[in-house]
Amino acid sequence: GAVVSQHPSRVICKSGTSVKIECRSLDFQATTMFWYRQFPKQSLMLMATSNEGSKATYEQGVEKDKFLINHASLTLSTLTVTSAHPEDSSFYICSARGAGALGNTIYFGEGSWLTVV
Amino acid sequence: DAKTTQPPSMDCAEGRAANLPCNHSTISGNEYVYWYRQIHSQGPQYIIHGLKNNETNEMASLIITEDRKSSTLILPHATLRDTAVYYCIVKGAGSYQLTFGKGTKLSVIP
Repeated sequence: GAVVSQHPSRVICKSGTSVKIECRSLDFQATTMFWYRQFPKQSLMLMATSNEGSKATYEQGVEKDKFLINHASLTLSTLTVTSAHPEDSSFYICSARGAGALGNTIYFGEGSWLTVV
Repeated sequence: DAKTTQPPSMDCAEGRAANLPCNHSTISGNEYVYWYRQIHSQGPQYIIHGLKNNETNEMASLIITEDRKSSTLILPHATLRDTAVYYCIVKGAGSYQLTFGKGTKLSVIP
């Protein structure tokens, strides 16, 4: 299957600072990428849908000015958590829609643990 | 996308087949059944998907009932590494968003 990679896998930042998480599709071009957040013992919650070259579409209740998403190329999407607070601490996961023969399947990255202290 | 119902947890003895059920009684004709699993502290892993026919790959088999209102994921010889939360998701062919329920927590026991 296709490979999606996230970086960093773990990050600790101070309250009030910003942190960027990268999501790359390694062996395919992803026109659409998705960002999820998962709190402990809960299921994944979709935050936003990101299309290459256009603005992201955010789910209801997700602040677009706090969670900045950029999808500048067909293999890279970034999520920036701005002015992070301890309640933003969570597991952030990206996924990408495959292209061509992979087009019907969504592949996930390994996830990024964010801890805000 | 149609909603799915899964048991919250299941146990399976190591080496035995694990059969994970999923109900999707409101599934429509163009919606696929997808299965993913999430091992602790990792991103979800794609397992298999199907529309009408039963499917098999190197990881698992997917059995879909004739009326498509339910399906079963079969791990033929469960190992300890198969311990994970398994998600059954129904998705339309033109939709690329996945809505995750609570899934089934499968515990493979030595």
